[in-house]
Amino acid sequence: DAGVIQSPRHEVTEMGQEVTLRCKPISGHDYLFWYRQTMMRGLELLIYFNNNVPIDDSGMPEDRFSAKMPNASFSTLKIQPSEPRDSAVYFCASADRNYGYTFGSGTRLTVV
Amino acid sequence: GQSLEQPSEVTAVEGAIVQINCTYQTSGFYGLSWYQQHDGGAPTFLSYNALDGLEETGRFSSFLSRSDSYGYLLLQELQMKDSASYFCAVGQGSYQKVTFGIGTKLQVIP
Repeated sequence: DAGVIQSPRHEVTEMGQEVTLRCKPISGHDYLFWYRQTMMRGLELLIYFNNNVPIDDSGMPEDRFSAKMPNASFSTLKIQPSEPRDSAVYFCASADRNYGYTFGSGTRLTVV
Repeated sequence: GQSLEQPSEVTAVEGAIVQINCTYQTSGFYGLSWYQQHDGGAPTFLSYNALDGLEETGRFSSFLSRSDSYGYLLLQELQMKDSASYFCAVGQGSYQKVTFGIGTKLQVIP
């Protein structure tokens, strides 16, 4: 398996623009997670899905953030409009019922 | 809510043993995990403890005491490549929801 695949690896955008981050989980994993990592706040859980259904989105910071999982092999995290404080590394991870996440390589987002 | 505490930085000598401690407060505790992250990389899973005791995986071991809300990661025969950040993470509830600590930056020196 190719692991969890995220795109793009790097994204630089201007404040106010829409940003879409993409994730392909490991086949057969029924949990998918979106995390954000910053120096100040560490790894924060934004939202997670089980069998494509959002289970807990309490970590989504604002209505500007939204996430979808239209099928078992694809998820998106969208920020609209983006702000400089959204600059961070965004990780997608997937897991099955055995504990232990597999993380993607992350998307480094810079909003200027 | 949940809270985890672990030291922010640890320095150890190549070939030595280092222990990274983690204390936690959470409801619905479901297990303690450890992850390694090299600078610029993604976190990678190291170990998981659901029950009290020691789990060993090669040079790495992880311990859990549920009654003390405490765990540690033990790294033996340290190598330079072990220089990385190490995160403890608490599982909560029945849906694999995991909260990560702030991480311990381990520096291995010659």
